[in-house]
Amino acid sequence: DIQMTQSPSTLSASVGDRVTITCRASQSISSWLAWYQQKPGKAPKLLIYKASSLESGVPSRFSGSGSGTEFTLTISSLQPDDFATYYCQQYNSHAAFGQGTKVEIK
Amino acid sequence: QLQLQESGPGLVKPSETLSLTCTVSGGSISSSSYYWGWIRQPPGKGLEWIGSIYYSGSTYYNPSLKSRVTISVDTSKNQFSLKLSSVTAADTAVYYCARTRITIFGVVAGLMFDPWGQGTLVTVSS
Repeated sequence: DIQMTQSPSTLSASVGDRVTITCRASQSISSWLAWYQQKPGKAPKLLIYKASSLESGVPSRFSGSGSGTEFTLTISSLQPDDFATYYCQQYNSHAAFGQGTKVEIK
Repeated sequence: QLQLQESGPGLVKPSETLSLTCTVSGGSISSSSYYWGWIRQPPGKGLEWIGSIYYSGSTYYNPSLKSRVTISVDTSKNQFSLKLSSVTAADTAVYYCARTRITIFGVVAGLMFDPWGQGTLVTVSS
């Protein structure tokens, strides 16, 4: 099974900050990686697929990069609506999620 | 706009079978482009994929749950369903249904989820 590890688990930031979340896979997954945003009490929402492709309707301040085993999600200028938990998910073999990164207000 | 809605009992006794249904509206479950899946999230914890099904009945299951999971589809009702047997307290979670985008890599498939239903909390307790 492919294991996904995110860091950090919690990130404290302010509005306007540039934020980066890292996701590592236990083996190469090429670019078969997605990122989701989840707000409290809500379902996850797809933000990025194939490591760097922005889902339709997602603000351009979100971007993804990486390939192989190391990936990043970057929010270029954090907005109030972005405080949430973010999950990476590999889809190279079935599906497996990282443990999540909570972005909280500093 | 495609919408998914989970339904089913919110309380299940240990050792019994959890049963949930997902109703799809705003689109056909018989679309040739997508599978349909279940994902769960224990309270305060992360996400775990359970399994996904095609309208023809073809399925993929998480190996860690495969022995206890059955996913079925009813195209006439535009619904798909989850059964999880022999539940314990560890199966307490919010259960989500979601449309599944599939990428085929030879004999293996990759699965991605969008959109999701709102989720339903199922508690396993006597």
